[in-house]
Amino acid sequence: DTAVSQTPKYLVTQMGNDKSIKCEQNLGHDTMYWYKQDSKKFLKIMFSYNNKELIINETVPNRFSPKSPDKAHLNLHINSLELGDSAVYFCASSQVTGLEQYFGPGTRLTVT
Amino acid sequence: AQKITQTQPGMFVQEKEAVTLDCTYDTSDPSYGLFWYKQPSSGEMIFLIYQGSYDQQNATEGRYSLNFQKARKSANLVISASQLGDSAMYFCAMRDSGNTPLVFGKGTRLSVIA
Repeated sequence: DTAVSQTPKYLVTQMGNDKSIKCEQNLGHDTMYWYKQDSKKFLKIMFSYNNKELIINETVPNRFSPKSPDKAHLNLHINSLELGDSAVYFCASSQVTGLEQYFGPGTRLTVT
Repeated sequence: AQKITQTQPGMFVQEKEAVTLDCTYDTSDPSYGLFWYKQPSSGEMIFLIYQGSYDQQNATEGRYSLNFQKARKSANLVISASQLGDSAMYFCAMRDSGNTPLVFGKGTRLSVIA
């Protein structure tokens, strides 16, 4: 009964490839997020979706495209992967009236 | 714009001792929330404690307490009776009113020594 799940947990791929990371939450939350944690452990917001609509899009290359088919899912597709995309990507969710953000286990992406 | 500052890249504490992890913040919104997360070596982000800007009392959760000093804009995490399992990265974060994303500090790596 995982609250926020991500697949895959590890992803190793070559430069130039296209890959997707999936996220699902079973908490009934209406807002979902993607965060990137770099090699120095710094966490930064990438995207935020509320009820399937994009509400925040930080300065992220347009090679990154989030897709929210429904409130419970927020997938991240990355085109033409670059070495600098190597990081841990966290999905999270929260409720408008809530406090805590629940994080998924993270996806470690390694681009070679 | 919101900003979180954690000035201690690394901390050591003896087992069973208390330790304080520093966090200062900056925001122009009068309504905000302050959070602490723990990230062990396994990588997951574990929510520890929350403090709202209008909360009169400092938040406590078991061995964790948040020393909230609004005038100083600080929200230090106090861990009492440290355990070896407390060794991890600790992140202070905040968000303004509404359902906004978290803004994180750079983290503090805590090492508990037996």
